[in-house]
Amino acid sequence: DPKIIQKPKYLVAVTGSEKILICEQYLGHNAMYWYRQSAKKPLEFMFSYSYQKLMDNQTASSRFQPQSSKKNHLDLQITALKPDDSATYFCASSQETRQNTLYFGAGTRLSVL
Amino acid sequence: GQQVQQSPASLVLQEGENAELQCNFSSTATQLQWFYQSPGGSLVSLLSNPSGTKHTGRLTSTTVTKERRSSLHISSSQTTDSGTYLCAPNNYAQGLTFGLGTRVSVFP
Repeated sequence: DPKIIQKPKYLVAVTGSEKILICEQYLGHNAMYWYRQSAKKPLEFMFSYSYQKLMDNQTASSRFQPQSSKKNHLDLQITALKPDDSATYFCASSQETRQNTLYFGAGTRLSVL
Repeated sequence: GQQVQQSPASLVLQEGENAELQCNFSSTATQLQWFYQSPGGSLVSLLSNPSGTKHTGRLTSTTVTKERRSSLHISSSQTTDSGTYLCAPNNYAQGLTFGLGTRVSVFP
């Protein structure tokens, strides 16, 4: 069974709309992250959370807002969607922040038309 | 920030052949992790090797910290090894910086 659940697996949105990407982890980890992978680009770190607190934000745009309602949840709200936001968004977790072993979810593939 | 260069960009192997993947990085790294991304996109941590040599199964990683480089050796490749191998050096940053990876294709 997958230990990091991301929903939905695929998402199609229109430009200007808002979507929420869901992530839940059942590994008992204290740190959670969001990464983005666009075509022809490396996997890119976006946010890190530890014990539900934001630790680092490497996303320039405020249109991306992580939300942590529980310790094992880290959702990603994206507003005013643009075609350039099309990418696969990966949620990840580790026991603590800055740990070597990072576990990834299966990703949400977002297409913005 | 950290820059990561991986080579070669792609590699084609016949089953049973060995492969050597290279990772060079620009800044000091106290951690270095190798990941495998399947053709379907899923990501799995293979091993963590901040320095020296480390083995797991058919994989051997050698990291020379002072020279800011790491290699991943795959021995006796199998078709199931096909995918992209990603290197991620880190120096206590919150998030990892990844290279573009080496795409490995193993044919029977």
